[in-house]
Amino acid sequence: GAGVSQSPRYKVAKRGQDVALRCDPISGHVSLFWYQQALGQGPEFLTYFQNEAQLDKSGLPSDRFFAERPEGSVSTLKIQRTQQEDSAVYLCASSLKRWGSSTDTQYFGPGTRLTVL
Amino acid sequence: GENVEQHPSTLSVQEGDSAVIKCTYSDSASNYFPWYKQELGKRPQLIIDIRSNVGEKKDQRIAVTLNKTAKHFSLHITETQPEDSAVYFCAASMKGGKLIFGQGTELSVKP
Repeated sequence: GAGVSQSPRYKVAKRGQDVALRCDPISGHVSLFWYQQALGQGPEFLTYFQNEAQLDKSGLPSDRFFAERPEGSVSTLKIQRTQQEDSAVYLCASSLKRWGSSTDTQYFGPGTRLTVL
Repeated sequence: GENVEQHPSTLSVQEGDSAVIKCTYSDSASNYFPWYKQELGKRPQLIIDIRSNVGEKKDQRIAVTLNKTAKHFSLHITETQPEDSAVYFCAASMKGGKLIFGQGTELSVKP
């Protein structure tokens, strides 16, 4: 079946612009995670959804970052007033089970590479 | 705090040799340890995982071992092939299921 998809694959923004990154999880997956991957580093957790509920946003680096999943499927990560340090690959992952099941496999999308000039 | 340390950062082996990558984690409550392979510009792909109720798991040329007492886990790749060349990440699960990743190991397999 179809895996996790993300769009756009590449985004170039001028400093101060707002951007919106989209994630389509695997159909039927309850859990959705966003990670940020800087060049040469491992992914870092940003936020987590179970269905439409955002249960953990402890990794969001500032209040310029906002995520939503209004119908419990597609999710959007929005970054307001982008800054150069926001340049990174933004990865989305989904898994089948609920919050608290910490042993469930996460399947990753291809990521969106954001470059802020 | 939550932390996963991964070593080495780079590893170069001859085709056919074995490769070992080691990770340590800080949260004793972690109970799930996946390994991902990431090729340049591609998504992380799960290659093997282990849960805390077992000490070792094998899948063809790949094996993972876990020592919960020492909070160590390792990836072993035998009979390496050029197509194994990639960046490998270990991870440990935290409360709720979020993953904390290591810094990555760039594996190069020379023909």
